[in-house]
Amino acid sequence: NAGVTQTPKFQVLKTGQSMTLQCAQDMNHNSMYWYRQDPGMGLRLIYYSASEGTTDKGEVPNGYNVSRLNKREFSLRLESAAPSQTSVYFCASARGGVNNEQFFGPGTRLTVL
Amino acid sequence: AQSVAQPEDQVNVAEGNPLTVKCTYSVSGNPYLFWYVQYPNRGLQFLLKYITGDNLVKGSYGFEAEFNKSQTSFHLKKPSALVSDSALYFCAVRDNAGKSTFGDGTTLTVKP
Repeated sequence: NAGVTQTPKFQVLKTGQSMTLQCAQDMNHNSMYWYRQDPGMGLRLIYYSASEGTTDKGEVPNGYNVSRLNKREFSLRLESAAPSQTSVYFCASARGGVNNEQFFGPGTRLTVL
Repeated sequence: AQSVAQPEDQVNVAEGNPLTVKCTYSVSGNPYLFWYVQYPNRGLQFLLKYITGDNLVKGSYGFEAEFNKSQTSFHLKKPSALVSDSALYFCAVRDNAGKSTFGDGTTLTVKP
């Protein structure tokens, strides 16, 4: 039982390049989330998927797209990376409903030059 | 819109002393409140949650939190701090749609 896995762990991009961050969970959770973590700003929600087949914008969705590929997988795409997207990205999953805690992946550290 | 405030960026305590990490929240409807801990270069780990019922919630690693509806607070506490408790702590509130809002985090340092 691996929990929540993310790939890659580290990535360096040049401005304007695109990439996809991958996330998978093996806990049969309904809900999945993408956050970014910047120093002194806590975690900010980018997009979330309450259940398979649905996605919704969070607090900071601009410059990102997501795909809920199936119940296990939720990917985050940067179409044209910008230096402001330099951050640590966390994927999380939860059973769904308001009273269940989230389980987090180890994070992807992204640098955009 | 919901919000979470962690008024202290840093909390320092001596090992063996009690610790408190403060959190206040704002949400319409019933509050669903969570505490998470993050160790360096790791993802967040769940500590405890308040959904309903007793105002004192017990969680992992000897931590507990006190829910106070009138003060809209959910402070994290531990009776006797350990050096290994040193980490970054996040308070979070969830709305009825399942969307969570996190505080900016409080760095706890426990000195031997």
